[in-house]
Amino acid sequence: NAGVTQTPKFRILKIGQSMTLQCAQDMNHNYMYWYRQDPGMGLKLIYYSVGAGITDKGEVPNGYNVSRSTTEDFPLRLELAAPSQTSVYFCASSSPGHNEQFFGPGTRLTVL
Amino acid sequence: DQQVKQNSPSLSVQEGRISILNCDYTNSMFDYFLWYKKYPAEGPTFLISISSIKDKNEDGRFTVFLNKSAKHLSLHIVPSQPGDSAVYFCAAKPGNDMRFGAGTRLTVKP
Repeated sequence: NAGVTQTPKFRILKIGQSMTLQCAQDMNHNYMYWYRQDPGMGLKLIYYSVGAGITDKGEVPNGYNVSRSTTEDFPLRLELAAPSQTSVYFCASSSPGHNEQFFGPGTRLTVL
Repeated sequence: DQQVKQNSPSLSVQEGRISILNCDYTNSMFDYFLWYKKYPAEGPTFLISISSIKDKNEDGRFTVFLNKSAKHLSLHIVPSQPGDSAVYFCAAKPGNDMRFGAGTRLTVKP
């Protein structure tokens, strides 16, 4: 099993550009999550999904969009990149009834 | 509004000694607590957890203690090993949400 995979590993964007961060998991987990981690801070939940077609906002959803068309994939979309979105983004997944989440390796995004 | 706090950004201990990492929380709706370990350039990996109905959970060298009245939990690592050097995050769950502390960088010296 590859677990949770994320692409790309690194990306530099210009202000106003858009991009999609990809996340996939092969563990057949229903629940998937997107977090961001700023320097010296803990992870903050952006969006999560409890199954295909169902998404919900987390603590810091502004400036992001998500979709969940399959169990395996949970892409995160940035429409108009801003410097405040410079961060490391982590995707995670879990099974219902299991509290621990499995994390991907992260995407380091810089907006200049 | 930081609901989960790890007040020590770093901790250094000697190999073989005990490491104690602390975490405080403010929201009494949290019902499940987890510790994650993170190495550079990797995602966090689950270490150990505890339900709010318990006050202790042990897994090998790792023990988590929960004091609900003080809204405090701690992670004990005995004995500490150089491979334990990493950033440790405390996390707390109310339902599907999860709130993380800022992390404590543990360095275990040989």
